Amino acid sequence: QVQLQQWGAGLLKPSETLSLTCAVYGGSFSDSYWSWIRQPPGKGLEWIGEINHRGSTNYNPSLKSRVTISIDTSKNQFSLKLSSVTAADTAVYFCASFPKHLVPRIDIWGQGTMVTVSS
Amino acid sequence: DIQMTQSPSSLSASVGDRVTITCRASQTINNYLNWYQQKPGKAPKLLIYAASSLQGGVPSRFSGSGSGTDFTLTINSLQPEDFATYYCQQSYSTPYTFGQGTKLEI
Repeated sequence: QVQLQQWGAGLLKPSETLSLTCAVYGGSFSDSYWSWIRQPPGKGLEWIGEINHRGSTNYNPSLKSRVTISIDTSKNQFSLKLSSVTAADTAVYFCASFPKHLVPRIDIWGQGTMVTVSS
Repeated sequence: DIQMTQSPSSLSASVGDRVTITCRASQTINNYLNWYQQKPGKAPKLLIYAASSLQGGVPSRFSGSGSGTDFTLTINSLQPEDFATYYCQQSYSTPYTFGQGTKLEI
């Protein structure tokens, strides 16, 4: 059974770069796409982007200019960087497994990391 | 982007009730529709994928239906642990998008 464990800085100042990492335990790293999703306080879910084990990425166009998702297959980890953050980027950030066989769906979620952007 | 619209935004119900939540896509998504349950302070949990397939370990009182643009999530015989927020999500094309959520309250 795949488990995801994520970590990263929880408090940032405006204009800084958000950096989060998610480790994948169990299962095969090549079986899925690996995604980041965020949820502002009291609001809904927003898909940020995804990467597969070959390093192929897809990003949400609304964030594409500021987002980089990378992967380290030797460590079974993938990471999110979001540059030039503002208060609007304050949210809980989730990493997730997004297998694409049959109908794609998010079957495993990380525990979430609350990231606050404040001066 | 494909817009996902859920209704209602909130719903009051009682234990034992049957409830239905609807989700409409702004364009056809075939059956590329998933449903998630989220409880406060927790990550969402996959309930239904491919519009009507029950995720392993999810109680059979949850069911989904629909295809194209209109979908429903039905919960039969509500249990206390079912009071949560429910989201639909399309996985037909990127950017994958979610509905705004339906909060199910007592």
